Amino acid sequence: AQSVSQHNHHVILSEAASLELGCNYSYGGTVNLFWYVQYPGQHLQLLLKYFSGDPLVKGIKGFEAEFIKSKFSFNLRKPSVQWSDTAEYFCAVTSTGTGRRALTFGSGTRLQVQP
Amino acid sequence: EAGVAQSPRYKIIEKRQSVAFWCNPISGHATLYWYQQILGQGPKLLIQFQNNGVVDDSQLPKDRFSAERLKGVDSTLKIQPAKLEDSAVYLCASSLESGGPSDFGPGTRLTVT
Repeated sequence: AQSVSQHNHHVILSEAASLELGCNYSYGGTVNLFWYVQYPGQHLQLLLKYFSGDPLVKGIKGFEAEFIKSKFSFNLRKPSVQWSDTAEYFCAVTSTGTGRRALTFGSGTRLQVQP
Repeated sequence: EAGVAQSPRYKIIEKRQSVAFWCNPISGHATLYWYQQILGQGPKLLIQFQNNGVVDDSQLPKDRFSAERLKGVDSTLKIQPAKLEDSAVYLCASSLESGGPSDFGPGTRLTVT
């Protein structure tokens, strides 16, 4: 069955620190990959997505993610976090083509950025 | 541009009662999704519509949950009868295409007592 693992449930960083949130998925076929963010009191928002092409994807607010097919990973990165990046981050994956499966979310990583 | 609208925002019911949620997606978005998010977990897809047709309802507990999108625009999700384990936030999302949701609504927080 398709699954998504986010290794860190809670991450605490100081402002200006670099961020990398891990995401691994289990499906072996062709996949579409997503990162969503939920700021406190706000809706889920799409940060970035990968469908094909350049495996390094740039999203909003300075975030980027790299798809490494051999490692089944799609880690989220930001070189320098700000207090306003405090939020919960969800990785999600869906397969494409035949046997298409619903978008599966990870359990989320709560990021706390301290000023 | 107006976002995805949902109502009500909060609902408290007793087990075995019925409840309905409403969603109006972003104008022009053909794909509409209903997700269930239990506290501490990521959202789980309940049903996906493409216009007014069902694309995926494999994770919808069909003995108690139903959903419709009759005119291909707004949608309702119903639970009848509710169980304690249905306590969750119910999220509606939409997108232009079917590759994954691009916009989420604020959700309806359901508490079943």
